[in-house]
Amino acid sequence: ETGVTQTPRHLVMGMTNKKSLKCEQHLGHNAMYWYKQSAKKPLELMFVYNFKEQTENNSVPSRFSPECPNSSHLFLHLHTLQPEDSALYLCASSQENGITGELFFGEGSRLTVL
Amino acid sequence: GENVEQHPSTLSVQEGDSAVIKCTYSDSASNYFPWYKQELGKRPQLIIDIRSNVGEKKDQRIAVTLNKTAKHFSLHITETQPEDSAVYFCAAERDNFNKFYFGSGTKLNVKP
Repeated sequence: ETGVTQTPRHLVMGMTNKKSLKCEQHLGHNAMYWYKQSAKKPLELMFVYNFKEQTENNSVPSRFSPECPNSSHLFLHLHTLQPEDSALYLCASSQENGITGELFFGEGSRLTVL
Repeated sequence: GENVEQHPSTLSVQEGDSAVIKCTYSDSASNYFPWYKQELGKRPQLIIDIRSNVGEKKDQRIAVTLNKTAKHFSLHITETQPEDSAVYFCAAERDNFNKFYFGSGTKLNVKP
């Protein structure tokens, strides 16, 4: 077990729905990330939180809204999504203390937008 | 920003043969280069990494080489086994930047 848990594992939603993805890490890390994984594309960095502060928003549309209430929890709020947003959303965490640490991924949330 | 390119996109080898996957990066300030393995339906997991102060690192059947001048790094798997079949991703990152830039992945198929 890598210690990064994502829920739900699968989500089907309509374009007008509002839903949220949840990520929890039990590793004591200080940085958390959301990545989007689409078929035949590189892993796309969406958001980075370092010590609960958002340090990166990689030009992500506003229909994706992240929330990091503490260094162990990360949410991705979804509303009015498009079918092209269907993908695997991966959460990850790492320990950053001056030297880059390993990224630990969750199992991912498979999102289908109808 | 950083741009990481990875080749080939698919690679098929016979069990026992070697496999080589290559990546190039664009940002000369990148100094950390991990490789991740993702089995079907599972999370990516780190298999080996290298920092810019070394040129090669080995861990049993897996090795990674780095050429800073040419800005490319490679993953070498020797004596491949069917359980090596997976998608492999390279990445590049700069210390403290919290931005891991990934390649597009290589699907490795090891035929028994």
